[in-house]
Amino acid sequence: GAVVSQHPSRVICKSGTSVKIECRSLDFQATTMFWYRQFPKKSLMLMATSNEGSKATYEQGVEKDKFLINHASLTLSTLTVTSAHPEDSSFYICSANERGGSSYNEQFFGPGTRLTVL
Amino acid sequence: AQSVTQPDIHITVSEGASLELRCNYSYGATPYLFWYVQSPGQGLQLLLKYFSGDTLVQGIKGFEAEFKRSQSSFNLRKPSVHWSDAAEYFCAVAFLTGGYNKLIFGAGTRLAVHP
Repeated sequence: GAVVSQHPSRVICKSGTSVKIECRSLDFQATTMFWYRQFPKKSLMLMATSNEGSKATYEQGVEKDKFLINHASLTLSTLTVTSAHPEDSSFYICSANERGGSSYNEQFFGPGTRLTVL
Repeated sequence: AQSVTQPDIHITVSEGASLELRCNYSYGATPYLFWYVQSPGQGLQLLLKYFSGDTLVQGIKGFEAEFKRSQSSFNLRKPSVHWSDAAEYFCAVAFLTGGYNKLIFGAGTRLAVHP
């Protein structure tokens, strides 16, 4: 149980285009979903937190208009990188808290999406 | 402010040797502590967690960690390392904010295992 998927696993796009990454909780309802960014050989940096039906909360320094987050349902959150540039190339990982689960404090992580902007 | 420090960026051990990965945290209240493992190009897998109670916690894959409040540490150990343990290891602390738990990660320790 508690499986989180991400799609796509890998995407290559041209500079200036937008890319959408999906994060789904497959077997549970997620009250909160988190988006992280990981630079090569670096740790995970929290970008934003999203709750179903409400606006995402962005961490300091993260551009809201660049990284659009939509949490449309209790099982789906999307991250759209708008007008992507090569510096947006990174590994993006999502996670989710289970709604009403006994492991309230545990985040379940997706497998990540590798974005390469040419 | 909350923070997590993993002093060792790289560690190399021989297969069968014991392992200890260090983690120190800074947090004013009782911490929720985690160790995650990440294989190349993959997401994170939870090894173990500490919320309260027994300060020695057992995890998956033969790992254990000990919470020491006096030292603000949560070091990860394994008595005998296997080649498949080569990966990146992240220590994390969670704190409650805005009704949800936010994770702060350490910089990670990359483990290499020699045959």
